[in-house]
Amino acid sequence: QVQLVESGGGVVQPGRSLRLSCAASGFTFSSYGMHWVRQAPGKGLEWVAVIWYDGTNKYYADSVKGRFTISRDNSNNTVYLQMNSLRAEDTAVFYCAREKVGKRNYFDYWGQGTLVTVSS
Amino acid sequence: DIQMTQSPSTLSASVGDRVTITCRASQSISSWLAWYQQKPGKAPKVLIYKASSLESGVPSRFSGSGSGTEFTLTISSLQPDDFATYYCQQYNSYSTWTFGQGTKVEIK
Repeated sequence: QVQLVESGGGVVQPGRSLRLSCAASGFTFSSYGMHWVRQAPGKGLEWVAVIWYDGTNKYYADSVKGRFTISRDNSNNTVYLQMNSLRAEDTAVFYCAREKVGKRNYFDYWGQGTLVTVSS
Repeated sequence: DIQMTQSPSTLSASVGDRVTITCRASQSISSWLAWYQQKPGKAPKVLIYKASSLESGVPSRFSGSGSGTEFTLTISSLQPDDFATYYCQQYNSYSTWTFGQGTKVEIK
């Protein structure tokens, strides 16, 4: 069965960096686009970033552009989110999600999320 | 960028009620719209894709309609398990995905 397991969250000071990981299993990882979505405490869902199945294209929300970098390792079935210059407003649960195969699509599987808290 | 606006933000309803949630896009997104259900502390779960297609395993009391800029999610007979927050999402673009702000369905 499809599983997505995020890790790497924690408490970090403003201006510091953190790297999140999402380990995938139960499907052919290299065939799927992968996304990060975040949710601030008590707030709605915010799309963060996408990486195409082969890593050739990456796109970001304006709120994280220039600070966050998405990457993937298809040999280890893992997608990453490198977060630099973190701000208090980046505090959120970060989910990785699989994009349904196809040219543009919705998210058919989600991980359980990992909490990132940016605080001094 | 495409903005998605849901209404209402909160909805109070009783078991057995018919419930409708609206989602409006700031520009046409054809039928590239999905609906998700999220319960507290849990990841979202897709209910509807391509505006009106029911995801496998989702109860038939959920339905979606619309195209262009106006969409609706309808729950034909609200069940206790349906009290949750619902989000619409556009996937018209290859480079950005956008969620609505959410609609919380509460017990009346």
